[in-house]
Amino acid sequence: SQTIHQWPATLVQPVGSPLSLECTVEGTSNPNLYWYRQAAGRGLQLLFYSVGIGQISSEVPQNLSASRPQDRQFILSSKKLLLSDSGFYLCAWTAGGPSGTQYFGPGTRLTVL
Amino acid sequence: GQQLNQSPQSMFIQEGEDVSMNCTSSSIFNTWLWYKQDPGEGPVLLIALYKAGELTSNGRLTAQFGITRKDSFLNISASIPSDVGIYFCAGQVNTGGFKTIFGAGTRLFVKA
Repeated sequence: SQTIHQWPATLVQPVGSPLSLECTVEGTSNPNLYWYRQAAGRGLQLLFYSVGIGQISSEVPQNLSASRPQDRQFILSSKKLLLSDSGFYLCAWTAGGPSGTQYFGPGTRLTVL
Repeated sequence: GQQLNQSPQSMFIQEGEDVSMNCTSSSIFNTWLWYKQDPGEGPVLLIALYKAGELTSNGRLTAQFGITRKDSFLNISASIPSDVGIYFCAGQVNTGGFKTIFGAGTRLFVKA
């Protein structure tokens, strides 16, 4: 069966520091991968999605970036964090095809101070 | 762009009551999905709907894909305290990448 992992689970970072969040998927190949941000008490905001290695589409311009160095690995990064980057970051995957249902990871709680 | 209007934003109910929430849009979707998010965790898929008019149940949960393909509802019968969480609807269109649009969520509070 497929599983999706995210780490770290929680992170507290100072303003201006770099960021690296990792997401990996097991049990499937060539998944579509997604990064979402959820602000406190809010819905899901799509940040990036990837249909393959090295292929990244950005939905919202910001100081974040994403990379997909391997088929089942998706990384969210920033060179300098802002206070507004605080939130709950969720990675999701789909197998593509006619269903395309997204399955979410456990999330990373990021607090920028 | 496409948007989903999910309502209500929040609900405070007594244990044992039935719950109904819905999502509407001015756009047509090919798939409707309902997720539940427990505090501090990622959303978990509850029900997926693929055909207009489809009515699907998952235990005490029932969801329907509207005939017009522009709406969907989720019902929870005989609520229990563990139903507490945020419920998200999501609509998908097949544009070569299955773009998924999420509603803002309905926060459900259940009082024992």
